[in-house]
Amino acid sequence: AQSVTQLGSHVSVSEGALVLLRCNYSSSVPPYLFWYVQYPNQGLQLLLKYTSAATLVKGINGFEAEFKKSETSFHLTKPSAHMSDAAEYFCAVGSGGYQKVTFGTGTKLQVIP
Amino acid sequence: DSGVTQTPKHLITATGQRVTLRCSPRSGDLSVYWYQQSLDQGLQFLIQYYNGEERAKGNILERFSAQQFPDLHSELNLSSLELGDSALYFCASSVDKGGSETQYFGPGTRLLVL
Repeated sequence: AQSVTQLGSHVSVSEGALVLLRCNYSSSVPPYLFWYVQYPNQGLQLLLKYTSAATLVKGINGFEAEFKKSETSFHLTKPSAHMSDAAEYFCAVGSGGYQKVTFGTGTKLQVIP
Repeated sequence: DSGVTQTPKHLITATGQRVTLRCSPRSGDLSVYWYQQSLDQGLQFLIQYYNGEERAKGNILERFSAQQFPDLHSELNLSSLELGDSALYFCASSVDKGGSETQYFGPGTRLLVL
C-alpha cells in the first residue's frame, strides 16, 4: 500500500522568499517519488522525480527535492519564489515508475509581490 | 507545448451516454498514461499502455476501457456515464515503460456529465 500526505493545502510566500512544500509518503516498497505542477487552467507538468539514485533531486524551474528515508519525506524547495511559480503542486508516490502512482491532494502556492 | 495532444478539449454529455477521448503521444513515445482529476477523487492514475499492450491498471472503473493503436495513439472510452464521471481527463506519454525518462502531459479533456 502507498499513500502521500501533503501538509498545507494553501501556502503563501513573498516573492524572493524560500518556497517549502511538504510531502510525506508511505510505501511498503522502495518508492519512486514525484512532484508535479499544474498552472491555472493548464495540464500537469513533471517537475522532478526520485528513482533511488541521488537523494537530492534537481528539477526544472529551480526546484529541488530531497529524499529522506528516515523521515519518509520528499519536500519540495526553491530558494527564491517568483510570481510565475504560483500554481498547484502535487506530490506522488509509486512503486515502479509513473504507473500506479498515488497522488497527494495538492498544495496551492500563492506568491505575494 | 508538450507535444501531447488530446481531443476534444471539452465534452458535455448526458448520463448514460458513451464518449471517447483521444490522445496522441509525443513523436517516438511508446507509453501512454491516462489520469482523472475530479473535485471528489483528486488526481488518479487510470491505466497505462506501452507499445500497444496494457502495462498497468489503476483505479479504472469497469465502465471505462482504453486501447492503444498501432500508430500509438490511445483512446479512453467511458460508458454508462454518471454525474460523478465529470472530471478533467489527462493523458501523458513517455518514451520508456515508465520512470526513467521524462513524462509529458497533454492539456486534458474536460468532461461534463449532465
